Amino acid sequence: ELKVEQNPLFLSMQEGKNYTIYCNYSTTSDRLYWYRQDPGKSLESLFVLLSNGAVKQEGRLMASLDTKARLSTLHITAAVHDLSATYFCAVDSFDGQNFVFGPGTRLSVLP
Amino acid sequence: DAGVIQSPRHEVTEMGQEVTLRCKPISGHDYLFWYRQTMMRGLELLIYFNNNVPIDDSGMPEDRFSAKMPNASFSTLKIQPSEPRDSAVYFCASSSTDSWNYGYTFGSGTRLTVV
Repeated sequence: ELKVEQNPLFLSMQEGKNYTIYCNYSTTSDRLYWYRQDPGKSLESLFVLLSNGAVKQEGRLMASLDTKARLSTLHITAAVHDLSATYFCAVDSFDGQNFVFGPGTRLSVLP
Repeated sequence: DAGVIQSPRHEVTEMGQEVTLRCKPISGHDYLFWYRQTMMRGLELLIYFNNNVPIDDSGMPEDRFSAKMPNASFSTLKIQPSEPRDSAVYFCASSSTDSWNYGYTFGSGTRLTVV
């Protein structure tokens, strides 16, 4: 059974600082997705990582995938308040075409 | 495309009543997923369909829950009878076999409160 873990689950950081969120998963998969959810809102797709070594960047966020380590990272550079949200990683189970989501990391960026 | 459309956005109902949640997937998408989100359990997959056929309903909590997809553009999730522990946000998402590069597209969700 595919399990997806994230850490930390809660992250409070100051504006301007850098930090990394980690996503570990338990079985082989080459596809990993990052989503953002604002309070009371739906999930918005951020990044799609489709192969080992894939790196995607959008603004202050950069995501990478290491399939051998079964690890993805979401790096935040010079955080701003607008990045406050919950971030989920999801892994393609390859077993019926459905994703397994991690528990989410709730990020608060303080002024 | 208007994206994945869910209705209603909010539903408040009394315990024991029947509740029906609705979803219209993105045109051309052949996969449809129903998720439930709570603080305690996070995002849980309830059921998903491929080409209108239920593929995996192992996440449906109990017989009180049922889901249908009568055609490619419409799905329902029904709870009968509803209980307070069913209170959650229910998301519908859709995807396409040809577009796994993009992952799922989620609807806005239905916030269900059972009192």
